[in-house]
Amino acid sequence: DVKVTQSSRYLVKRTGEKVFLECVQDMDHENMFWYRQDPGLGLRLIYFSYDVKMKEKGDIPEGYSVSREKKERFSLILESASTNQTSMYLCASSPLRTGSHGYTFGSGTRLTVV
Amino acid sequence: DAKTTQPTSMDCAEGRAANLPCNHSTISGNEYVYWYRQIHSQGPQYIIHGLKNNETNEMASLIITEDRKSSTLILPHATLRDTAVYYCIVRVANTGTASKLTFGTGTRLQVTL
Repeated sequence: DVKVTQSSRYLVKRTGEKVFLECVQDMDHENMFWYRQDPGLGLRLIYFSYDVKMKEKGDIPEGYSVSREKKERFSLILESASTNQTSMYLCASSPLRTGSHGYTFGSGTRLTVV
Repeated sequence: DAKTTQPTSMDCAEGRAANLPCNHSTISGNEYVYWYRQIHSQGPQYIIHGLKNNETNEMASLIITEDRKSSTLILPHATLRDTAVYYCIVRVANTGTASKLTFGTGTRLQVTL
């Protein structure tokens, strides 16, 4: 079964800490995405990548950065975590030409910043 | 990508068909209609997509009106496990680039006994 795996299901960090959220996919997909999900706001795109070392800003990139050193891994970095970054973070991947399978999402990381 | 409008919530009795509507009146000719669902505390899951013909797979059927301004996702025999938030999204497919999915707030479907 194809998978997108996020390293942590739950995470608690302190304000000001540098936080790394890891995502790995085993489908050889070119595209990878990071979303955050908050009540009443739905899913919002933070960053995405269409190739190794390539990245594009999504709708809400402020306060975040990303890294894609290998095709299968896409990391989201919170340089200095703040309480307003408490959220559910979802990683997704898709092939370059999105066909019948669309996007595949991970199970999410619920991050709490205290 | 075109904007979509969905009801905030719907109820359905278990075993009955669940019909979830979506309006996308500004859809362009090369935009597909995609449906995803998100069960509580999980990531969204792809259900089905279509361009202008009706589509069916093991999960659901998608009915797109002739003018393509609206569509309906049909779960033929809803079960309690179909309780989820359902998202209707329109976007260009097979672009060859990382075209992003833009999610609205979706329809919260509650299946009851």
